[in-house]
Amino acid sequence: DAGVTQSPTHLIKTRGQHVTLRCSPISGHKSVSWYQQVLGQGPQFIFQYYEKEERGRGNFPDRFSARQFPNYSSELNVNALLLGDSALYLCASSLGTVLPTNEKLFFGSGTQLSVL
Amino acid sequence: KQEVTQIPAALSVPEGENLVLNCSFTDSAIYNLQWFRQDPGKGLTSLLLIQSSQREQTSGRLNASLDKSSGRSTLYIAASQPGDSATYLCMAGGNQFYFGTGTSLTVIP
Repeated sequence: DAGVTQSPTHLIKTRGQHVTLRCSPISGHKSVSWYQQVLGQGPQFIFQYYEKEERGRGNFPDRFSARQFPNYSSELNVNALLLGDSALYLCASSLGTVLPTNEKLFFGSGTQLSVL
Repeated sequence: KQEVTQIPAALSVPEGENLVLNCSFTDSAIYNLQWFRQDPGKGLTSLLLIQSSQREQTSGRLNASLDKSSGRSTLYIAASQPGDSATYLCMAGGNQFYFGTGTSLTVIP
């Protein structure tokens, strides 16, 4: 079975642009969460979605938004890109329930975003 | 706000040595504590998850313990191998997920 897949793997944007990152969860998983990992730091939680609804949100500005589709795939959108948005963006899936949960998280390999 | 700290930031050991990685958290009201490994440029792989009602979990050469009252978790790796070289991250889970900054482990053949 395929694991969590993310696209694209690498992306270069300029300040002020908009970006959309995509994530397909493991088959049968209904929950997707997003993370930002700046070089040398641990991931920071951005959002969790379950059954197409936002179930958890980290401390990120409104420029960050996400949605989940009926097939449980998800998109992360970032508007008005800043240099500081340069990071590895990770997606994780789990079987699915509302937070808090004791489910293990399964991560994709991430999208490396560079903002110039 | 939950803060998660991992010490040491980097560790280098000879092959075969047993080692302990440390994770501390400020808010003891966690739902679980999860340990991950991350290889360079890759995503995270879940190693062990300890629920708040549990004290430890074991998988092969790995053993993780949790002491909520003191805000600490440890990951014990027995008989380390070069393939164990990676960054190890702990995560406190609840209504949000809080990661530490990781311990970069190098096992020297």
